[in-house]
Amino acid sequence: RKEVEQDPGPFNVPEGATVAFNCTYSNSASQSFFWYRQDCRKEPKLLMSVYSSGNEDGRFTAQLNRASQYISLLIRDSKLSDSATYLCVVAYTGGFKTIFGAGTRLFVKA
Amino acid sequence: NAGVTQTPKFRVLKTGQSMTLLCAQDMNHEYMYWYRQDPGMGLRLIHYSVGEGTTAKGEVPDGYNVSRLKKQNFLLGLESAAPSQTSVYFCASSLDRGKGEQFFGPGTRLTVL
Repeated sequence: RKEVEQDPGPFNVPEGATVAFNCTYSNSASQSFFWYRQDCRKEPKLLMSVYSSGNEDGRFTAQLNRASQYISLLIRDSKLSDSATYLCVVAYTGGFKTIFGAGTRLFVKA
Repeated sequence: NAGVTQTPKFRVLKTGQSMTLLCAQDMNHEYMYWYRQDPGMGLRLIHYSVGEGTTAKGEVPDGYNVSRLKKQNFLLGLESAAPSQTSVYFCASSLDRGKGEQFFGPGTRLTVL
């Protein structure tokens, strides 16, 4: 079983739709959580950190559920420019380990 | 401020050849990393460095060596390339260890024939 698992998709949604991605992690010692965005043939870039109380950045909302060991990303009012692969990232601050999920691909269509 | 740069951007090697990938960062970060990205696998850590003169093995270190002689540079070497090393290689750097953002270079696309 992978340490960090994501639905690979692809998710095909129309502009304006709301879409949600989930990510599960297996190690309860995980300390920090992030969502990264990766455009086609480009490098990953940080989209947002995920805090225990949940957090929002414009149209993006991230949630953490430690009891069930999953994090989620909600995108509201999808734009064409949101088309990308979204990587779930889990880090362990006690050791030197950051695990990247394989990513969920999103296509937003006009 | 260029961030993280990588050279070369593309390379084709024959089995058994060697090469060095160069990563440079201008953000004065202590931590630097080399990852490879393969379809369906996510980014996997090859080697990392917690400061000038230090290196450590990551998840998939076999067949690779690294050096960090200067704080701003992190080199990845392939001693004897194999087709299994065909991948996209990303270098990254960070200020914090595991808690903060990692900044990635644009990647090197390597094909080993």
